[in-house]
Amino acid sequence: DARVTQTPRHKVTEMGQEVTMRCQPILGHNTVFWYRQTMMQGLELLAYFRNRAPLDDSGMPKDRFSAEMPDATLATLKIQPSEPRDSAVYFCASGLVGPPTYEQYFGPGTRLTVT
Amino acid sequence: SQQGEEDPQALSIQEGENATMNCSYKTSINNLQWYRQNSGRGLVHLILIRSNEREKHSGRLRVTLDTSKKSSSLLITASRAADTASYFCAYSGAGSYQLTFGKGTKLSVIP
Repeated sequence: DARVTQTPRHKVTEMGQEVTMRCQPILGHNTVFWYRQTMMQGLELLAYFRNRAPLDDSGMPKDRFSAEMPDATLATLKIQPSEPRDSAVYFCASGLVGPPTYEQYFGPGTRLTVT
Repeated sequence: SQQGEEDPQALSIQEGENATMNCSYKTSINNLQWYRQNSGRGLVHLILIRSNEREKHSGRLRVTLDTSKKSSSLLITASRAADTASYFCAYSGAGSYQLTFGKGTKLSVIP
């Protein structure tokens, strides 16, 4: 049963610290997405990769956030330095996106709390 | 990326009743999808309807799409307590790989 995995599941850190979140997409999927979910803003797309190439990171605060996909089995999202307003649940999703399939498969999320 | 709107924002029904959720969007779309999110979990894909389709069924789910009104509805028939969750519509435009999500409808099914 193929699944998207994310680590860590929970992270509590102090303001100013670096946070790294990791995602292992489903093998064979060509597109990987990073989302952030908060009560106020709902689900926001931060960045996504297609065949490991970054296609769009316009939803991401560039001064502190960075997303990479060093290989087909790992995507990372880094926040440096972290701020309390970054507290949210961060989801990774992957899919074999393109005609005829467009479904995305979500990981369980990383719940980040920045104090 | 929050350009979809669902209504109602919250819905509470008795087990066995039908639940209908609506979604409106503002752009031309390639397809529209519905996802479910249980509390504290990731989203789970439920059903996809393409822009050239008007209705689709999957088990107890029925989705309709009216591209002239830029709207879709999700009907869950014979609801169960296990259907309690938030439901999101999401859509992508022609040539786009990314999804735009609505803010979701929180469904509570009372046993």
